[in-house]
Amino acid sequence: GIQVEQSPPDLILQEGANSTLRCNFSDSVNNLQWFHQNPWGQLINLFYIPSGTKQNGRLSATTVATERYSLLYISSSQTTDSGVYFCAVGGTGGYQKVTFGTGTKLQVIP
Amino acid sequence: DVKVTQSSRYLVKRTGEKVFLECVQDMDHENMFWYRQDPGLGLRLIYFSYDVKMKEKGDIPEGYSVSREKKERFSLILESASTNQTSMYLCASTPAANAWTQYFGPGTRLLVL
Repeated sequence: GIQVEQSPPDLILQEGANSTLRCNFSDSVNNLQWFHQNPWGQLINLFYIPSGTKQNGRLSATTVATERYSLLYISSSQTTDSGVYFCAVGGTGGYQKVTFGTGTKLQVIP
Repeated sequence: DVKVTQSSRYLVKRTGEKVFLECVQDMDHENMFWYRQDPGLGLRLIYFSYDVKMKEKGDIPEGYSVSREKKERFSLILESASTNQTSMYLCASTPAANAWTQYFGPGTRLLVL
């Protein structure tokens, strides 16, 4: 199956700093999503981005499908950005199964 | 807003007990999923369902079964709970028309003693 690797595994930021999270995947994908899991466990879909670039406020994401990676940018980080960020991908076999990476745990300190 | 609810946020059970985890979604979604989340392993798919009374095994189905008698409800069953099933369990649903956008419930933290 598809392998999904995320880096870094842990990240501590000062409030206001910018950061880039990376997701590498081992095969062609039809689907790629970024999720944020808040400290209470709730997973929220941030972006559906199988290719190209999208922006939503202070967050943006870029996927380069031909090179099998995606980047999530967080600008002007806030304490509410803390939590775990997951990348999840789906393959090209017409099989709607999603494989999650192991996540990047982000802590934003005041 | 899509709402996915899970029957319990926290659950403590003893080894050998039969455990039921319930998930309900209110958006008429066709697809429903059960994952478990463990530190360092991310989310792993246990079972999923494309329709009522339909189920498919995910990556780690051993020790689990599921039931989908109604479209809005997807149950995960631990026939005989074991300590290695202590985990966070997450339910998700998606519409068939846009099956890549998953909506998650708040999760159930299960402790098996």
